[in-house]
Amino acid sequence: AQSVTQLDSQVPVFEEAPVELRCNYSSSVSVYLFWYVQYPNQGLQLLLKYLSGSTLVKGINGFEAEFNKSQTSFHLRKPSVHISDTAEYFCAVSDPMKTSYDKVIFGPGTSLSVIP
Amino acid sequence: GAGVSQSPRYKVAKRGQDVALRCDPISGHVSLFWYQQALGQGPEFLTYFQNEAQLDKSGLPSDRFFAERPEGSVSTLKIQRTQQEDSAVYLCASSATVHRGNEKLFFGSGTQLSVL
Repeated sequence: AQSVTQLDSQVPVFEEAPVELRCNYSSSVSVYLFWYVQYPNQGLQLLLKYLSGSTLVKGINGFEAEFNKSQTSFHLRKPSVHISDTAEYFCAVSDPMKTSYDKVIFGPGTSLSVIP
Repeated sequence: GAGVSQSPRYKVAKRGQDVALRCDPISGHVSLFWYQQALGQGPEFLTYFQNEAQLDKSGLPSDRFFAERPEGSVSTLKIQRTQQEDSAVYLCASSATVHRGNEKLFFGSGTQLSVL
């Protein structure tokens, strides 16, 4: 079964500094990969997704992620964070090889705190 | 509707009580998921509906948990004889088509269940 590891449970970063949130997944076969963000008291929202093609994926709010098959990683980056980026970030994976349907499996999350 | 709506937003139950949590997905969405999110953790899959058919209930933690979507729109997650370990946020998500792992999930804000 697929699983997702997010090694950093909390990441504090100063405003306008760059940030990288790490994500590793368990499978070495084909995967779909996602980053979702959860702002306080709100539902999860999709930031970006990798399905195939270019390994560098750009999402909303200036975030991007790079798919690295050899390292089974999908790290999320932003060159300059804002206070409004303070939120919980979840990496997620699903299996494109399933013939019927597949569920999305989520990691434990990383809490990003942007310090003024 | 404009988004996925869940009610109630908060629910406090005494141990042993039955509770019912409601999810109104986006109108016309085929797929509906329920997830359980414990404090400080990522969402854990509970069950999946494709229209009115419950195709996967492998994540339901015990036979005290029951979900239905009788007309293929609104869904209810029922927990019988609640226990303290059931305390969590219950998230509902929908997607427009049969979920083959690559579609965007639209999440509700969740129901926070506290069992005393």
